[in-house]
Formats: sequence, structure tokens, C-alpha cells
Amino acid sequence: GQNIDQPTEMTATEGAIVQINCTYQTSGFNGLFWYQQHAGEAPTFLSYNVLDGLEEKGRFSSFLSRSKGYSYLLLKELQMKDSASYLCAVMDSNYQLIWGAGTKLIIKP
Amino acid sequence: IAGITQAPTSQILAAGRRMTLRCTQDMRHNAMYWYRQDLGLGLRLIHYSNTAGTTGKGEVPDGYSVSRANTDDFPLTLASAVPSQTSVYFCASTGGNTGELFFGEGSRLTVL
Repeated sequence: GQNIDQPTEMTATEGAIVQINCTYQTSGFNGLFWYQQHAGEAPTFLSYNVLDGLEEKGRFSSFLSRSKGYSYLLLKELQMKDSASYLCAVMDSNYQLIWGAGTKLIIKP
Repeated sequence: IAGITQAPTSQILAAGRRMTLRCTQDMRHNAMYWYRQDLGLGLRLIHYSNTAGTTGKGEVPDGYSVSRANTDDFPLTLASAVPSQTSVYFCASTGGNTGELFFGEGSRLTVL
């Protein structure tokens, strides 16, 4: 079966750095997405990786290793507004998205 | 710019009732999706439509139906609601090469 694993919850301190991991087993691979979802709101797109390596976008970076079935989202200089759930999703060989359950990130002052 | 609009934002209904969740987008995206989101689970695809006039079943289609008469609208119907359909429902669309999804604000449905 297809599976996306990410930690259920993480806690970090304002101003610090946090890394949210995602491992996947899917039927084929056509890209990996990270979305941010604040409580009670819709998910919003953060990043897309299809090739191995690191993609940097401001305070957020996303890394992919296809051979290891592994990705991480790195958040730097954490702000209170970064408190949210972070969803990892993989596009399989049928171009359907398989979603992880999300990682709830709690930022403490 | 509206993007994707869902209605209603919240609804409580009795089991056995029929309910239609509306979804409209103004981005001229070809592909549209309905997901449900439940605590502790990832987003699960109910139905999708790759283009106007076509629809397909997702991971959890039972008890739901959709139609896609035109590009903009993609309503989701629960023919006879059951309590297990209590969930938050998100409509989404995509039109880009990367597959980035644009989501509506969600419809919170409670079936009693």
C-alpha cells in the first residue's frame, strides 16, 4: 500500500530552527509537496520538489531524497505565526496526491 | 479575486437528509477535487474531475456523488447523510504544471 509518515506533533521555540521529516512509500513518484494549514483554515502551498536536493524559499527550505523516500521541511527564525500543521503529500504514478496526516507545530515564546 | 468559493461554511443536518456542498472557482482550472479531512488522518480524496464533463472516484467515494457540468462548478452531494460523514470538506483545483492545489475555505458538516 501507499504510505506517508510524518511526526504527529513537534514543539519549538520562537527564533529557533525546526526540521519536519516525511518518509513515503508510493506507487511511483511525480513530486512531493509541503502545505501549511493553520487551525480552522484551508491548506496553502509551501513547496514542491521533484528532483533530489534542497529548495530554498525565504525562511522555508524543503529537501528531497528520492532514493531514500525522504523529505524534510526546514523552518528558520521561527515566528509565532508559524504555529500550524504541515502536510506532506506525494504525487504517485497516476498523478494522484497521497497525503500524510500532518505535523502539528507548536511554537513557544 | 475569489479563487475557490465553498458553501455552506458550516452545516448541521439530520441523518438521512440529502445535502449538496457547492464549489465554484474562477481560475479556469481544469482539474477539481473534493477531499474530506478528519482528525488524525490525511486528506482523503472523495471524487475528482480532470475536465468539464468527466468525473472519477477517489479513495472514499461511497455515499457521495459529483457532477461537472462546466469548468467553474463542482458540487458534492450526499444522497442520504450518515454520522460517519461528519467531517470538514475541502474543494480544490489545479491548473498548473506543478500540480499545486488551491483550496476553498472548507465546509464543516455535522450529521446527527
